[in-house]
Amino acid sequence: LAKTTQPISMDSYEGQEVNITCSHNNIATNDYITWYQQFPSQGPRFIIQGYKTKVTNEVASLFIPADRKSSTLSLPRVSLSDTAVYYCLVGMYTGTASKLTFGTGTRLQVTL
Amino acid sequence: DTGVSQDPRHKITKRGQNVTFRCDPISEHNRLYWYRQTLGQGPEFLTYFQNEAQLEKSRLLSDRFSAERPKGSFSTLEIQRTEQGDSAMYLCASSPDSLNEKLFFGSGTQLSVL
Repeated sequence: LAKTTQPISMDSYEGQEVNITCSHNNIATNDYITWYQQFPSQGPRFIIQGYKTKVTNEVASLFIPADRKSSTLSLPRVSLSDTAVYYCLVGMYTGTASKLTFGTGTRLQVTL
Repeated sequence: DTGVSQDPRHKITKRGQNVTFRCDPISEHNRLYWYRQTLGQGPEFLTYFQNEAQLEKSRLLSDRFSAERPKGSFSTLEIQRTEQGDSAMYLCASSPDSLNEKLFFGSGTQLSVL
């Protein structure tokens, strides 16, 4: 399993762009990179997933360099409601079992 | 609401009692996962089902923990002889059949063992 490393916490002001980088040096060829958001007392919520280059949806963008050893989640113009914990996961379905492992995530605090 | 549903949302029990949690996944999702989360930590994988088959259970924390998915639809997680250390949020997630797993989580069951 590819181990991931993220900053423990980040602070931002409302309206700024926030970039959270995740390192995954031993990512396997077929692994996907997935980001989740979690608010207190709720389950994690899928944000975005990618394999290579750039992926964008209505919520965020995901940048993946050619070597795929890291990825960056970009949140444009954050608001107070984006205060949450963000998790980076790396893996894929193996056909017989799934062992998707969450790290401790990045705690994002957005203030006025 | 067509998301993952978990019941109950909160459970308070006394040490030594048995508890059972239920999870109803998104209807077209064949994969179902159980995780446990303690304060300040990320979710910890417990077990996983593909339809009714439990394909991974080595991560279940002890033999007091068991899970079932009898007809490949809803699932139950049972903890026997609860201990104070079992206090945590128990999360269920489901996923459609694909190589790129996307997990859809329920809101969890918060267990407090007194």
